[in-house]
Amino acid sequence: TAGITQAPTSQILAAGRSMTLRCTQDMRHNAMYWYRQDLGLGLRLIHYSNTAGTTGKGEVPDGYSVSRANTDDFPLTLASAVPSQTSVYFCASSDSGSGANVLTFGAGSRLTVL
Amino acid sequence: GQNIDQPTEMTATEGAIVQINCTYQTSGFNGLFWYQQHAGEAPTFLSYNVLDGLEEKGRFSSFLSRSKGYSYLLLKELQMKDSASYLCAVRDSNYQLIWGAGTKLIIKP
Repeated sequence: TAGITQAPTSQILAAGRSMTLRCTQDMRHNAMYWYRQDLGLGLRLIHYSNTAGTTGKGEVPDGYSVSRANTDDFPLTLASAVPSQTSVYFCASSDSGSGANVLTFGAGSRLTVL
Repeated sequence: GQNIDQPTEMTATEGAIVQINCTYQTSGFNGLFWYQQHAGEAPTFLSYNVLDGLEEKGRFSSFLSRSKGYSYLLLKELQMKDSASYLCAVRDSNYQLIWGAGTKLIIKP
């Protein structure tokens, strides 16, 4: 089934450690996004990429970095995790050439930083 | 600042109709989206409105009034599987999506 694969599904991480959340899509979408979802808040954009080779900062980029070496992969790295980064992380993609630019989401990665 | 408001939680009865409201104040407007999110799962796309009026898709309809900064999602013939959170999102003048916190809909038999 076509879509977005995220890994890991969940992870417990000690504060100060680094972590990379993986995201792969097979829909050949040009745009990809990383969001975090916290209780009582709307989805917040961390970083995005409009096309392979380019990335941009979203609403809450501090403490996170991304790369987009090719169309399919968009990993999110936490260089030195802090407890406030405990959240559910969703990767998404879209065909930004379409009018509605609908997002397709991965299943999410639940990260707990202790 | 930019803001999306929707009720935190609503309860409805199986077989009934429910309307979930969303009001927004954003820097410009380039479309409004509704997504459904079951607990522990990813959001999935339900509807998109860019012009005023009603868009109907089976049991679900979405309405938009740009002059009032207002939308609603109407769910008819409610089923237990409709128990989920419903997320309203607006695309602003910079084509960035602004998300509401979501409305948790509880369906009772």
